[in-house]
Amino acid sequence: GAGVSQTPSNKVTEKGKYVELRCDPISGHTALYWYRQSLGQGPEFLIYFQGTGAADDSGLPNDRFFAVRPEGSVSTLKIQRTERGDSAVYLCASSPGGGRTDTQYFGPGTRLTVL
Amino acid sequence: AQKITQTQPGMFVQEKEAVTLDCTYDTSDPSYGLFWYKQPSSGEMIFLIYQGSYDQQNATEGRYSLNFQKARKSANLVISASQLGDSAMYFCAMSLRALIFGKGTTLSVSS
Repeated sequence: GAGVSQTPSNKVTEKGKYVELRCDPISGHTALYWYRQSLGQGPEFLIYFQGTGAADDSGLPNDRFFAVRPEGSVSTLKIQRTERGDSAVYLCASSPGGGRTDTQYFGPGTRLTVL
Repeated sequence: AQKITQTQPGMFVQEKEAVTLDCTYDTSDPSYGLFWYKQPSSGEMIFLIYQGSYDQQNATEGRYSLNFQKARKSANLVISASQLGDSAMYFCAMSLRALIFGKGTTLSVSS
């Protein structure tokens, strides 16, 4: 079956602009996660959705970052007033139920470059 | 504090040899999952193997096995019979719901 997909694969923007990153999880997976991976580092958690609601947004670095999942499937990560420090690969993952034992399956990521 | 530590920035192994990638973790929570992911240069994160904190036996998946020592809080990945295609970055992660990742180990397999 289809895996997790993310669009765009690459995004180049200018400092101060607004960007949206999209994630389409595996069909039937109720849990969806966003992570950010800087060069040479492991991914860092941003936000977790269970269904339509954000169950844990403790990883969002500041209020410029926001994510939605209005119908419990596709999610959009939104970044306002982008800064050069936001440059990273943004990874999305989904899992069947969101439990601690559930395997998270990752998408290919969106590489964001802020000039 | 919940943390994953991978102390080997890089490991080198010859084809067909076995290699162990180290991972230690820190949590006071009794219920957690431990995962290993492979990230090739293409960037995708590929799930390899899982171990639950209450599992009595070490997990195995083909050439991958997880050496789980709960008292030592370690979850080392063992890759048997290394192949050239195993060259990649390997991440250990702990799930308390969201995944907490280590910094990774770069594995290089030579012929």
